[in-house]
Amino acid sequence: SAVISQKPSRDICQRGTSLTIQCQVDSQVTMMFWYRQQPGQSLTLIATANQGSEATYESGFVIDKFPISRPNLTFSTLTVSNMSPEDSSIYLCSVEGGPNYGYTFGSGTRLTVV
Amino acid sequence: GESVGLHLPTLSVQEGDNSIINCAYSNSASDYFIWYKQESGKGPQFIIDIRSNMDKRQGQRVTVLLNKTVKHLSLQIAATQPGDSAVYFCAENSGTYKYIFGTGTRLKVLA
Repeated sequence: SAVISQKPSRDICQRGTSLTIQCQVDSQVTMMFWYRQQPGQSLTLIATANQGSEATYESGFVIDKFPISRPNLTFSTLTVSNMSPEDSSIYLCSVEGGPNYGYTFGSGTRLTVV
Repeated sequence: GESVGLHLPTLSVQEGDNSIINCAYSNSASDYFIWYKQESGKGPQFIIDIRSNMDKRQGQRVTVLLNKTVKHLSLQIAATQPGDSAVYFCAENSGTYKYIFGTGTRLKVLA
């Protein structure tokens, strides 16, 4: 399965600022996925990022708040914009892991907004 | 480290005992299911999967059971070890690229 490097691993940010999270995959993948995991909660899909096209956002998530870039088949970024304490979560990048592997996840970015 | 399972249901099991973690899934059309393990400070890790044409699948120390009649999935861990302590999620898929994740269960192994 693919190996995903995600950074930063954690950050503490001031409200009103923005943070860009990077996701690097060791192989070319068509689809990359961004998830949010709020404290004590399960994983919620934010958006799907395909190379060469705009990201597809799930209900409740908008591009102005979570802009995504997908410049090539191995890299994507997620920006959390104009942050508030409610954005404090773990943000996870994932890709399809291939047959019998489901999704492969990065180690996540633990964001705390103060 | 920071735990993702602070408010999740917790299952406490004595080391060496068997663990059973349950999951109720939502979509009767789901035909593929995965169990993930998430240790503190890490992303979810694939454990085992099962397709809807099966009702049981075994891996190393783990078994997944699927009951489509009542939309229920379970993960059995044999001879639970301290390294099994983590949050466990089930995920369902109905043929698209999207997975729906369950609420998760925190497994705590007692020495």
